[in-house]
Amino acid sequence: DAGVIQSPRHEVTEMGQEVTLRCKPISGHNSLFWYRQTMMRGLELLIYFNNNVPIDDSGMPEDRFSAKMPNASFSTLKIQPSEPRDSAVYFCASSSWDFYEQYFGPGTRLTVT
Amino acid sequence: SQQGEEDPQALSIQEGENATMNCSYKTSINNLQWYRQNSGRGLVHLILIRSNEREKHSGRLRVTLDTSKKSSSLLITASRAADTASYFCATVQPSNDYKLSFGAGTTVTVRA
Repeated sequence: DAGVIQSPRHEVTEMGQEVTLRCKPISGHNSLFWYRQTMMRGLELLIYFNNNVPIDDSGMPEDRFSAKMPNASFSTLKIQPSEPRDSAVYFCASSSWDFYEQYFGPGTRLTVT
Repeated sequence: SQQGEEDPQALSIQEGENATMNCSYKTSINNLQWYRQNSGRGLVHLILIRSNEREKHSGRLRVTLDTSKKSSSLLITASRAADTASYFCATVQPSNDYKLSFGAGTTVTVRA
């Protein structure tokens, strides 16, 4: 299996622009997670999907952030409009029903100038 | 906010030595997990220890859990250069069995 796939790996954009991050979870996993990692705040859970349904979005910072999972093999995290403080590494992770372990993608490094 | 706190923040050891890092947490847990992150990469699951377990081994890794002290330790024996990475503990609370709450991590450097 190819593991969790994220694209792009790096994104540089200007403040005010829309940014879309993409994730393909491991086939057969029914849980998907989006995390953000910064030096100041560490790893934070943004949103959790189970069977394509958002279950916990309490970590989404504000209305500028939105996430979708239209099917079991694809999810997006969108930031509109982007701000410099959104600069971080965004990880997608997936797991099977027992949550024994989460499998992380390589991350997308976002820089907003 | 972070549930776990790792100690030390950074550790530098010689190849072949053992590395020990600790994790303290605040609330009751269902299980505690350790993850490794190599520079510029995603996190990799190392080991899970449940709240009713006290010690667990996996290869060169040994994890202990003391729920009375709300603390865990990760020991890497006979370290190798490839063990250079950041190590994170993550707790799972009974009320949210899907949610990992990560600590700030311990950065381990293994010198050849």
